[in-house]
Parts: sequence; C-alpha cells; structure tokens
Amino acid sequence: EVQLLESGGGLVQPGGSLRLSCAASGFSFGSYVMSWVRQAPGKGLEWVSAISGSGGSTYYADSVKGRFTISRDNSKNTLYLQMNSLRAEDTAVYYCAKEKNMIVAVMDVWGQGTTVTVSS
Amino acid sequence: DIVMTQSPDSLAVSLGERATINCKSSQSVFYSSNNKNYLAWYQQKPRQPPKLLFYWASTRESGVPDRFSGSGSGTDFTLTISSLQAEDVAVYYCQQYYSTPYTFGQGTKLEIK
Repeated sequence: EVQLLESGGGLVQPGGSLRLSCAASGFSFGSYVMSWVRQAPGKGLEWVSAISGSGGSTYYADSVKGRFTISRDNSKNTLYLQMNSLRAEDTAVYYCAKEKNMIVAVMDVWGQGTTVTVSS
Repeated sequence: DIVMTQSPDSLAVSLGERATINCKSSQSVFYSSNNKNYLAWYQQKPRQPPKLLFYWASTRESGVPDRFSGSGSGTDFTLTISSLQAEDVAVYYCQQYYSTPYTFGQGTKLEIK
C-alpha cells in the first residue's frame, strides 16, 4: 500500500525554525516528484514546494522562497521541508504528496498532514 | 502567477440532483503541443487530506464514481456531479499544473439542501 506519513510539526515562535519529514512507503520513492502543500486553518490549499525524483530540481512558491528548503533522501525514502524565519502566516497543516505517474504536480497520494503553529 | 477562480464559493444541492462547480484560470492552461489542459480537480472531506478526482481536465482518477465528470478547455472548466449523494459533501478545488507556482482555486463547499 502506498503511504505517506508526515512528522515534525509543532508550536514554534516567530522567527524560529522547524524541519518537517515525510516517510514514504509502498512505491519507488526516487522515481517520483514530491510536493508539499499547506492549508491554513479554515482556508484553502496552497502549493508550497516540489522536488524532482533525483533531488536535482526544486521549486517554491514565492511566499516561502528563500526561507524554506525542500530536500529528499532517496536511500531513506524520506522527503523533508526545512522551514526557517517562520511567520504567523506559515501556520497551517502541511501535507506531503506524491506526483501521479509522470504528471508533475498532479498529486495522487497525500499524507494525513502535520500541523505547524507559529505563535509567541 | 496563474490565478484560479472558482464559482460559486458554496453550493447547496438536493440529493439526486446535479451539482456544477466552475473554475476559471487567469490565462490558458492548454498546451497545444500535446493537446492537453493542465487542470486537476480534488475533493476534500472534513478532517481528511485532498483526494484527486480528475487530471487533464477530464481524465477520471481510478475509483472515482462515474457520476463525477470534468470538462472544459483553455481557461474555463467545470466539475459536474450528475446525481448528488450524501458522501459527496466536501470542498472541491481546481488546480493548474501548467506552470509554477501550481495554484489552486479558493475552493467550493458543497452541501446538501
């Protein structure tokens, strides 16, 4: 069964840092583009970042560019999101998602999400 | 950035009736080189992650009931539920994957009348 399990969320002060992880299983992890998508409380979906299967190409939303870094360890089947200089507006549920076979940014498998709260 | 605008923001439909959700992109998401529209639809039920319904605007994801259909091209797209069931209560999102950032519509909340 294809599964994604996020972890690493929590409460952090403005200006702080947090690293999210997404453990993947049930598919050939290194063959797929992976993404992070977030959802602020009561709000819609916002694509945050994506990374190619090899990790050689990365993409970011303007709202996080320069503050967040997406990475992956294909030997550990794990996706990461390093979040620095966090702001209140980064408060959200963060989902990791798997690309549908060879269709970049169409996400066919999603994790359950991990909650990030930025507050003093 | 491509802005995705859905209408209406919310919709109440009687069981068994048709539900129609519209999505408009600020620029075309159609690639003439492969004749495809880079538009996906997702369903999100309360306290659940989104679920992929359609990609290429009208290609139904495996397991999605055939009462759901996707249509449209260029800048105007529609998600239709032909006969609303109770389990279809959810928020529906369109998303363009034509170019980064891969933007979503604001969502349409579908309820039972």
